[in-house]
Amino acid sequence: DVKVTQSSRYLVKRTGEKVFLECVQDMDHENMFWYRQDPGLGLRLIYFSYDVKMKEKGDIPEGYSVSREKKERFSLILESASTNQTSMYLCASRRLAGIGELFFGEGSRLTVL
Amino acid sequence: GQNIDQPTEMTATEGAIVQINCTYQTSGFNGLFWYQQHAGEAPTFLSYNVLDGLEEKGRFSSFLSRSKGYSYLLLKELQMKDSASYLCAVGNTGGFKTIFGAGTRLFVKA
Repeated sequence: DVKVTQSSRYLVKRTGEKVFLECVQDMDHENMFWYRQDPGLGLRLIYFSYDVKMKEKGDIPEGYSVSREKKERFSLILESASTNQTSMYLCASRRLAGIGELFFGEGSRLTVL
Repeated sequence: GQNIDQPTEMTATEGAIVQINCTYQTSGFNGLFWYQQHAGEAPTFLSYNVLDGLEEKGRFSSFLSRSKGYSYLLLKELQMKDSASYLCAVGNTGGFKTIFGAGTRLFVKA
């Protein structure tokens, strides 16, 4: 079974703090994604990566950056957290572009005070 | 623009059949996915349609009409454990992005 592991299930941070969310997948998948999930809005794509060191902006990249130095690891960085970034963050991976379903991690619920 | 619409909430009775509809308008199309998400858990894959027609997988079936931009997920013999959110999602033509609807919360009552 594919396993996507997110480093923290729950985080509480203060406005202006730098936040790192880490995601690791164990199935040698090419593509990795970061979504945020908010009530009534569904999942919105922040960034994705189709290969090591490659990244592309999704639909809502403002205020976020990402890093993919190794194939199995995809990190989401909030340089200066703000209250409107309070959300559930979901990491996902997929074997190849355009082929197959997404495999999701358990999610990281971030609260910014 | 890109838009995926599905009902916000539905309620059904244990043992019954429920159909969750999804309509989409996207700039490209590379298949339609349904995911199930229990409260506090990760979404998990249910079904994938890329051609028109019905795909059946046990108690769950999914239908696609590309010309109408329409899909539905059919759940038969409902069980209490089917209470969850059901997410409709469309893969774009380039293959990288998957666009999600807001999800339908299904409540199954005894």
